[in-house]
Amino acid sequence: AQSVTQLDSHVSVSEGTPVLLRCNYSSSYSPSLFWYVQHPNKGLQLLLKYTSAATLVKGINGFEAEFKKSETSFHLTKPSAHMSDAAEYFCVVSEANYGGSQGNLIFGKGTKLSVKP
Amino acid sequence: DAGITQSPRHKVTETGTPVTLRCHQTENHRYMYWYRQDPGHGLRLIHYSYGVKDTDKGEVSDGYSVSRSKTEDFLLTLESATSSQTSVYFCAISESWSGQNRNTIYFGEGSWLTVV
Repeated sequence: AQSVTQLDSHVSVSEGTPVLLRCNYSSSYSPSLFWYVQHPNKGLQLLLKYTSAATLVKGINGFEAEFKKSETSFHLTKPSAHMSDAAEYFCVVSEANYGGSQGNLIFGKGTKLSVKP
Repeated sequence: DAGITQSPRHKVTETGTPVTLRCHQTENHRYMYWYRQDPGHGLRLIHYSYGVKDTDKGEVSDGYSVSRSKTEDFLLTLESATSSQTSVYFCAISESWSGQNRNTIYFGEGSWLTVV
């Protein structure tokens, strides 16, 4: 069965410092992994996705994530935080070969990122 | 941005009344979904559709029904609203499973529902 654990519910960084949002997953099949961002009172926007191509995935707004199968991790990073990065981030897993609910995504509980001036 | 429109965006209703949320897409995507978002739970799938008149239950389907009579519209109905259904509801869409966009799901802006 699929599951996703976001290891921090809140992360606070100063503007210009690196961002690390941690995500571990469990999947019986070859997973697809995603990071979505949600700004207050908005929908979810896709940041990046891993679908078994390169293990280092680059996304929008300078974010990237590395798929590490041995560690079952998919941590999100950014070298330098900007005030506009303050939002909630969701790590998501989908089993590509899952024969049941096609397209069912399993969401982590989210990490709220605060960026201090 | 994916062409997804949810209506209404905000609604307050009384316990026991029926409520219908509408999702309209202009992308001609096959798959459509309804999720609810609650603090501490992330997003959870209520129902999804894999074609016109083809729907199935998700993780938290009790108390909800859906209908899809056209490719572009997916309706979520709360037959008799309860306070536990106070939530933010997100519609989402995705293409078929082939191609570079396999598995990518795009979300609407959300519908805030309060049941008093």
